[in-house]
Amino acid sequence: DQQVKQNSPSLSVQEGRISILNCDYTNSMFDYFLWYKKYPAEGPTFLISISSIKDKNEDGRFTVFLNKSAKHLSLHIVPSQPGDSAVYFCAASAWGAGGTSYGKLTFGQGTILTVHP
Amino acid sequence: SAVISQKPSRDICQRGTSLTIQCQVDSQVTMMFWYRQQPGQSLTLIATANQGSEATYESGFVIDKFPISRPNLTFSTLTVSNMSPEDSSIYLCSGGTASYGYTFGSGTRLTVV
Repeated sequence: DQQVKQNSPSLSVQEGRISILNCDYTNSMFDYFLWYKKYPAEGPTFLISISSIKDKNEDGRFTVFLNKSAKHLSLHIVPSQPGDSAVYFCAASAWGAGGTSYGKLTFGQGTILTVHP
Repeated sequence: SAVISQKPSRDICQRGTSLTIQCQVDSQVTMMFWYRQQPGQSLTLIATANQGSEATYESGFVIDKFPISRPNLTFSTLTVSNMSPEDSSIYLCSGGTASYGYTFGSGTRLTVV
């Protein structure tokens, strides 16, 4: 049962344009969401997060939008740069559930972003 | 945010043997986790490493196969025991706090032949 889904295995955009990466989830207990970037032979690097009490969080070129009713979140990168080319994972946590769920992350399958110069 | 050093970065092992992976954090962290990323797949949580007590394993993972130690708040090890080719994966440790985004080690790429 895939509780976090990234339905687009890959995305290709031109430098300077917007990149939009999407993520859907099914577990209503998820209340904290994170995006990670991963280069080959490296561990995932944290990018940005959002709590379920918000619908938007912005950090420089990165903005995450959360639509709780649709159980959908997206990561916008504007403007896209060639150095952004990597695999992007969304992850979700049932932070408020506490107990044995505390801190655990459930990851999507990842989207390969390629930004062309 | 915490910085995590993980070693070895890669290894090729014979089936039936065991490999121990180490993770060192540069500051004390409450939460540490171990993940596996099989080829072409996402990251799957193996277990939560609890300081001073037995790890908490996710469904499908057992202590006999993946024993974990966490003697203090800055160090943890994961052992992959009695390895088979199906254990070939990238193993990652993670730690820190959710508000700053959990930090990951650089991963251990394990190949079992």
